Amino acid sequence: DGGITQSPKYLFRKEGQNVTLSCEQNLNHDAMYWYRQDPGQGLRLIYYSQIVNDFQKGDIAEGYSVSREKKESFPLTVTSAQKNPTAFYLCASSMGTPLQFFGPGTRLTVL
Amino acid sequence: AQSVTQLGSHVSVSEGALVLLRCNYSSSVPPYLFWYVQYPNQGLQLLLKYTTGATLVKGINGFEAEFKKSETSFHLTKPSAHMSDAAEYFCAVTLNTGFQKLVFGTGTRLLVSP
Repeated sequence: DGGITQSPKYLFRKEGQNVTLSCEQNLNHDAMYWYRQDPGQGLRLIYYSQIVNDFQKGDIAEGYSVSREKKESFPLTVTSAQKNPTAFYLCASSMGTPLQFFGPGTRLTVL
Repeated sequence: AQSVTQLGSHVSVSEGALVLLRCNYSSSVPPYLFWYVQYPNQGLQLLLKYTTGATLVKGINGFEAEFKKSETSFHLTKPSAHMSDAAEYFCAVTLNTGFQKLVFGTGTRLLVSP
């Protein structure tokens, strides 16, 4: 089945640690996205990538980094510079249209 | 810049009642509009979309929405609520030119009581 997988589903981080969230898609989509979701704030765009080896900052990129070395993979690193990283993180992809398909999400909690 | 406003962070209905979730957008060009549904601790699932053509759009699970350009609205309706409809609903808009990023509303949580 084609789709988007995110791992892990739950992630716990100590303050000061970097963590990497995985996002993989087998839909052959060119574009991939990372969103952060907080209660009452909807989804906010962190980074997006239109093609391999290229990515752009979204609205809230500070404290995050990404890479896009393969078409199917778009990992997100939450760095220690992100002061409030506890949130639900969603990965999405699209292919030449505005319609985005979403993964199941990763819930990150800072201890 | 385009934006989306969803009126009401929470909407409560009884099972069998009409569901109406409101979405208004601002855009300087004809938009593409979407409704997504999210169940707890899950990703977003597409309910329906408007791109061009017919302004009344039918989606999954008995939902539909009507694009009203004059009112800049794209409200989501369902004639009869079911307990399984309890979830959070997001309206999103994008421009139909250039690379399309989605702008999301803040979401409306639908509560369905027996």
